[in-house]
Amino acid sequence: DTAVSQTPKYLVTQMGNDKSIKCEQNLGHDTMYWYKQDSKKFLKIMFSYNNKELIINETVPNRFSPKSPDKAHLNLHINSLELGDSAVYFCASRHLLAAQETQYFGPGTRLLVL
Amino acid sequence: EDQVTQSPEALRLQEGESSSLNCSYTVSGLRGLFWYRQDPGKGPEFLFTLYSAGEEKEKERLKATLTKKESFLHITAPKPEDSATYLCAVQSSSSNTGKLIFGQGTTLQVKP
Repeated sequence: DTAVSQTPKYLVTQMGNDKSIKCEQNLGHDTMYWYKQDSKKFLKIMFSYNNKELIINETVPNRFSPKSPDKAHLNLHINSLELGDSAVYFCASRHLLAAQETQYFGPGTRLLVL
Repeated sequence: EDQVTQSPEALRLQEGESSSLNCSYTVSGLRGLFWYRQDPGKGPEFLFTLYSAGEEKEKERLKATLTKKESFLHITAPKPEDSATYLCAVQSSSSNTGKLIFGQGTTLQVKP
């Protein structure tokens, strides 16, 4: 009963391909995020959805497109993959109660573009 | 621009040797400061959220403190299992989206 799960865990693909990463949370939270962690372990926000509505859209190439079919799921589709897209992608879910906040992260998807 | 800087980048300690990790931040109004632990190949694991200067939180050998410019993560008598990368992040009060701005992390190695 993992709180935030991602699939796949590893993704190895060729340049130019299109791929998707899926995220699901069973915590009942309204807000979910995608973060990218580079080789230096620097985590940077990419997107966020609140109850299926896009609320954060950072400066990310438009080859990246998030989709949230319902508030428990947030997917990330990447078109025309490039070498620089190789990174670990983390999904997170936000718990907010009486101004006390926690964000729970998934296990990550390790993307390698060859 | 909101920014987080962590120091040192890497820290090696002997088991039992207490130390502190630093997180300096500049933010347009602090909504919250977060500490996470990340083990190799895993996602960040939540440790603490601090909201106002003077606040302190503890969990086992870890104690987080907050001032208006920085936060410290104090590790008392560390054990090898405390070895991990510790990430600090801030959230600005100018936004209610929950966006976290992370530092680059401090990688801690505790030797037996």
